[in-house]
Amino acid sequence: DSGVTQTPKHLITATGQRVTLRCSPRSGDLSVYWYQQSLDQGLQFLIQYYNGEERAKGNILERFSAQQFPDLHSELNLSSLELGDSALYFCASSAGRPEPEQFFGPGTRLTVL
Amino acid sequence: QQQVKQSPQSLIVQKGGISIINCAYENTAFDYFPWYQQFPGKGPALLIAIRPDVSEKKEGRFTISFNKSAKQFSLHIMDSQPGDSATYFCAARSGGSNYKLTFGKGTLLTVNP
Repeated sequence: DSGVTQTPKHLITATGQRVTLRCSPRSGDLSVYWYQQSLDQGLQFLIQYYNGEERAKGNILERFSAQQFPDLHSELNLSSLELGDSALYFCASSAGRPEPEQFFGPGTRLTVL
Repeated sequence: QQQVKQSPQSLIVQKGGISIINCAYENTAFDYFPWYQQFPGKGPALLIAIRPDVSEKKEGRFTISFNKSAKQFSLHIMDSQPGDSATYFCAARSGGSNYKLTFGKGTLLTVNP
């Protein structure tokens, strides 16, 4: 158990809908990262937050957004969902400098029908 | 552009054998190279990691070999066991103000009893 929790574990929704994925980092970790895992693209970095502020953006679509709250939990919002958004979404956390290790949560499997 | 290339895509090894997975990177700004192990339905779990100022790191049956001049690194699993059967990902971290990871495409390892 990495100490990172994600909810829900599974999510099934329809095209055009909006969903919110939630992540609670390990106790004390200030950084939260979101990754998307699909069969064709592999593990892709989406976005990073550090202590409430956006730190880096990767291959994140404009339909997707995220935020980190004062209690350090994070939410990833996916809107106007398309079939191609079906994937595993992972959250990872790290303590930040100088420790680079990222610890991944169990993921949320999103299925868009 | 795939910044971290991983091979082979799949690997079958007999119990007790040595499993070797290779990765190559292009970005010389990468400063930290972790390996992750992922079982079906689970999140990636940090296995072992190395920094570029070290040529080898060993933890139990797992060893990372790092060749900075060739921009290559590899994971060796000694005395491979059926319980090691999983997907292995190499990754590289960008330096600077964020710690996003760039992943290889993964290697599906099967260890036959």
